[in-house]
Amino acid sequence: GDSVTQMEGPVTLSEEAFLTINCTYTATGYPSLFWYVQYPGEGLQLLLKATKADDKGSNKGFEATYRKETTSFHLEKGSVQVSDSAVYFCALTPNSGYSTLTFGKGTMLLVSP
Amino acid sequence: GAVVSQHPSWVICKSGTSVKIECRSLDFQATTMFWYRQFPKQSLMLMATSNEGSKATYEQGVEKDKFLINHASLTLSTLTVTSAHPEDSSFYICSASGTGGTGFDGYTFGSGTRLTVV
Repeated sequence: GDSVTQMEGPVTLSEEAFLTINCTYTATGYPSLFWYVQYPGEGLQLLLKATKADDKGSNKGFEATYRKETTSFHLEKGSVQVSDSAVYFCALTPNSGYSTLTFGKGTMLLVSP
Repeated sequence: GAVVSQHPSWVICKSGTSVKIECRSLDFQATTMFWYRQFPKQSLMLMATSNEGSKATYEQGVEKDKFLINHASLTLSTLTVTSAHPEDSSFYICSASGTGGTGFDGYTFGSGTRLTVV
């Protein structure tokens, strides 16, 4: 079945450091890929998404590129802030329609001043 | 953008009682609602999927008689944890997909409910 693998956390960075959170997936066909962010005690918020190969999703300085050849969707940000501290989830749906999301286990990011 | 309002945000109940969690879509029609459970420092586990006006489809291992899901309208879905026990303590999150509204990105999550059974 479909699956999403994320790097284990926590990822600990100083403010203004470069961030990469790796995400790879296994799926048949052409899934849509998402990154969600969860702040402490809250639900999930969509951060960015990509629906086809080579698409780049971006939002709030975060970017991720849909790489079908490497089945990856790594999250990057050039300069993190303390306010970016949260748990980040990579997820997919099996096709471009809206069906069940498959989540990775989440990666906690801790940014210190 | 699309908003899902989830209530209550936290609840403490006695063992053996029932608790109802509501999720309302405020500016779109939630044709499908997903209910998740999240354990501390873990990912979201899909419990069930419900389509408006239909019975919910439960994931393997989820007790449908314990976790009652109602999705009677396009803007409201409820999860009732019946005869709650301490092992039911968890963070429950709903997610809606549907049509209408503005800025819709496919899935909109509620803010979650922290259930503690004592």
